[in-house]
This record gives sequence, structure tokens and C-alpha cells, in this order.
Amino acid sequence: NAGVTQTPKFQVLKTGQSMTLQCAQDMNHNSMYWYRQDPGMGLRLIYYSASEGTTDKGEVPNGYNVSRLNKREFSLRLESAAPSQTSVYFCASSEAIAGSDEQYFGPGTRLTVT
Amino acid sequence: RKEVEQDPGPFNVPEGATVAFNCTYSNSASQSFFWYRQDCRKEPKLLMSVYSSGNEDGRFTAQLNRASQYISLLIRDSKLSDSATYLCVVWEAGGYNKLIFGAGTRLAVHP
Repeated sequence: NAGVTQTPKFQVLKTGQSMTLQCAQDMNHNSMYWYRQDPGMGLRLIYYSASEGTTDKGEVPNGYNVSRLNKREFSLRLESAAPSQTSVYFCASSEAIAGSDEQYFGPGTRLTVT
Repeated sequence: RKEVEQDPGPFNVPEGATVAFNCTYSNSASQSFFWYRQDCRKEPKLLMSVYSSGNEDGRFTAQLNRASQYISLLIRDSKLSDSATYLCVVWEAGGYNKLIFGAGTRLAVHP
């Protein structure tokens, strides 16, 4: 069981470039999430998918798009990267969207936008 | 005001010490509470849920005070391996159901 996997682990982009962060989980979870973590701040929710076929905005969705490709995979796309998007990005999954459900996190993608 | 506030630390303690972390949250309607642990440059992992009656898991004790909107984590007999950042996390239902993360408290246990 790999749990939650993310690719790539590191990425450097120039301003205006685009890229897609990939996330997959093998725990048969229904819900998946994308967070960003910046120094001195808590993780902030970018987008989430409560179940296959649905996606919703989180706290900081501007500049991002997502696709829930199937139950296992949830990708995050930056269409035109900006330096403010330099951050560590974590994907997570849980059995369902419920307060009691533990969220399992991937190892993160460290993105630098120059 | 931040939704979940924590003392950032760092807390530098010797092995064997008892250390306590505190956290306050702003939304009185928050429903579930957790402590996550995050090692340096790693992903967060659930340490324990926090229940109204308080709960213990080995050397770790978590307490919740809903009236004061306050959560605590007590670590007894600290080990070198406890060195990490501890994230206070609150679940808010409604709107977009979400976990709200504090910025974390860093703990460094030294020999």
C-alpha cells in the first residue's frame, strides 16, 4: 500500500509557465484534497473533491484548477504560474468528507516560481 | 484574528521533560478537533483526535475546553523522536467542509 503519492517532488517554474501536479491514492477513499503550506501559516485548502465526479473550491482557489480523473486520481493545474504560488503543495485523501475522518497526506511537491 | 492560533515555539526541552502546547480556535461551532504531527520537510500525520472528555494515548494527553475554545496537548517523558512540529487542527462543517490548520508549534528535544 503506497497510500497517497504525488509527482513531482520538486519543480522550478518561470513566471507564466504552466504545470500539473499529480496525486493518486490506493486506499479506495472517496474524498481528496489539495492544500498549500507556506512558512508561518497553516495548511490552506485550495480545492477538494468530496467524491468522484465532483470538485469544489476551498479557501484559496484563485490561479488553480483541478480534475478528479477517477476515484484514485486528483490533479492540480497551474495555468500561468506566479511567484506567489511558490509553496509546498500537499494532496490528501479521506474515506469521506466528515469531521471524524482522518486525512492521509502525500509527501508533498515543493514548487518554486521565479 | 486567525481561526486557529498556536504558539510557534520553538520549545527546546531535554529528554524526559514534560511539555504542553496550547491552541485556541475562533469558531464556537467547530465540531471536531485533532493534533497532527509534521516532521521536518515531511507530510502531516494524525497524532490523535481530541475528545470533550479528554483522551490519552501513551505519553500523549489531549484536552478540549469548548467554553474557552481551547485545546491542549501534553507530552510526558519527551523522547528525541518527539522532535517535530505539532499542528492543531479543527473541523468546521458547513460552507465548504474543511479542516482548519494552525501554523504549528515546533518542539526540539535535546539529549
